[in-house]
Amino acid sequence: AQKVTQAQTEISVVEKEDVTLDCVYETRDTTYYLFWYKQPPSGELVFLIRRNSFDEQNEISGRYSWNFQKSTSSFNFTITASQVVDSAVYFCALSEGRGSNYQLIWGAGTKLIIKP
Amino acid sequence: DTGVSQDPRHKITKRGQNVTFRCDPISEHNRLYWYRQTLGQGPEFLTYFQNEAQLEKSRLLSDRFSAERPKGSFSTLEIQRTEQGDSAMYLCASSLRTGLNEKLFFGSGTQLSVL
Repeated sequence: AQKVTQAQTEISVVEKEDVTLDCVYETRDTTYYLFWYKQPPSGELVFLIRRNSFDEQNEISGRYSWNFQKSTSSFNFTITASQVVDSAVYFCALSEGRGSNYQLIWGAGTKLIIKP
Repeated sequence: DTGVSQDPRHKITKRGQNVTFRCDPISEHNRLYWYRQTLGQGPEFLTYFQNEAQLEKSRLLSDRFSAERPKGSFSTLEIQRTEQGDSAMYLCASSLRTGLNEKLFFGSGTQLSVL
């Protein structure tokens, strides 16, 4: 069965610390897509990244980086030098097959609190 | 503002009443999605449209829920005979389908409270 687990319900760190949000997924498909979204207090979900199962290269975008490891079925997200504006709920999601958005399976989210 | 807009932002209703929400997608986007999100959970897919055609509807969706996108632009989501279990945030998202790189843009949602 498809499933996304974000074991960390809430993380609180002091500004400028690095923080890693964990995501573990389960799927029987060999072709699948993984996503991270950010949901700030205003409510709208903001797309951060989409990776396909054939591309295991880690990705870096500014202070954000993602570590995709098929061997452990994990797609972890690291924020370097965190800032207060990073405070939000972060969701990891999985889509099988052609990556259709309506088939997204979402984790429960990790609430990240960055204290000044 | 050229983002996805949803109206109203908040809705409080009594059990048994009907409610209707509106979503205005980004103007050139051909796909529109409705999701429901409860506290501490990720979004749950409800339905989606490509232009005016409703292509997929969640099997978990009660018959009390109906959605329309009559001209392929804005969409409405109606819940009839609301129940307390319908209390949730209702999110709308739109996208422009171009190959496999479809990116969703979400609105801020409508928070429904059924008393």
